[in-house]
Amino acid sequence: NAGVTQTPKFQVLKTGQSMTLQCAQDMNHEYMSWYRQDPGMGLRLIHYSVGAGITDQGEVPNGYNVSRSTTEDFPLRLLSAAPSQTSVYFCASSPDGNTEAFFGQGTRLTVV
Amino acid sequence: GEDVEQSLFLSVREGDSSVINCTYTDSSSTYLYWYKQEPGAGLQLLTYIFSNMDMKQDQRLTVLLNKKDKHLSLRIADTQTGDSAIYFCAESIGGYNKLIFGAGTRLAVHP
Repeated sequence: NAGVTQTPKFQVLKTGQSMTLQCAQDMNHEYMSWYRQDPGMGLRLIHYSVGAGITDQGEVPNGYNVSRSTTEDFPLRLLSAAPSQTSVYFCASSPDGNTEAFFGQGTRLTVV
Repeated sequence: GEDVEQSLFLSVREGDSSVINCTYTDSSSTYLYWYKQEPGAGLQLLTYIFSNMDMKQDQRLTVLLNKKDKHLSLRIADTQTGDSAIYFCAESIGGYNKLIFGAGTRLAVHP
């Protein structure tokens, strides 16, 4: 049972490039979320999904797009990378949206 | 808006108890959580408490919730070097796996 798998683990982008961070879970969880973690700060919610085909914005959605075509996958797209998006990105899933969120190992993204 | 605050650093001697404190602002929070993050790793849920509870104990961990003061604490008994990590307090806003995190408390355990 792999849990929540994020790829890639590390990525360097040039300003203006686009890319997709992948997140997959094999626990059949309906709820999935993307967070970013910046130094000295807690995690901040970017986007979340309550099921296939349903997504909504979190606290810091600007510059990011998401879609949820299957229960298992919740990719995060950076449309035009900016240095302010340098961060560690975490994907999480939850069976019920309340009791426990399972986190991936994170993707460390640097935008130069 | 919602805000969760924690002290940033705590140093304890091995074998002593650690107490990590957290304050939150949203009185409608239904669940409050403590997560642990080790270097280079994701977050691991340690424990959570439902907002209608005052205390929860799980082996070496004790969570106390003071709803009046919006104060949450995590006590780790017999702290070990393996407990060295960053501990995040978080509250759930409206369910849906939407969590508001504090900045984290770095716990350092020394001999």
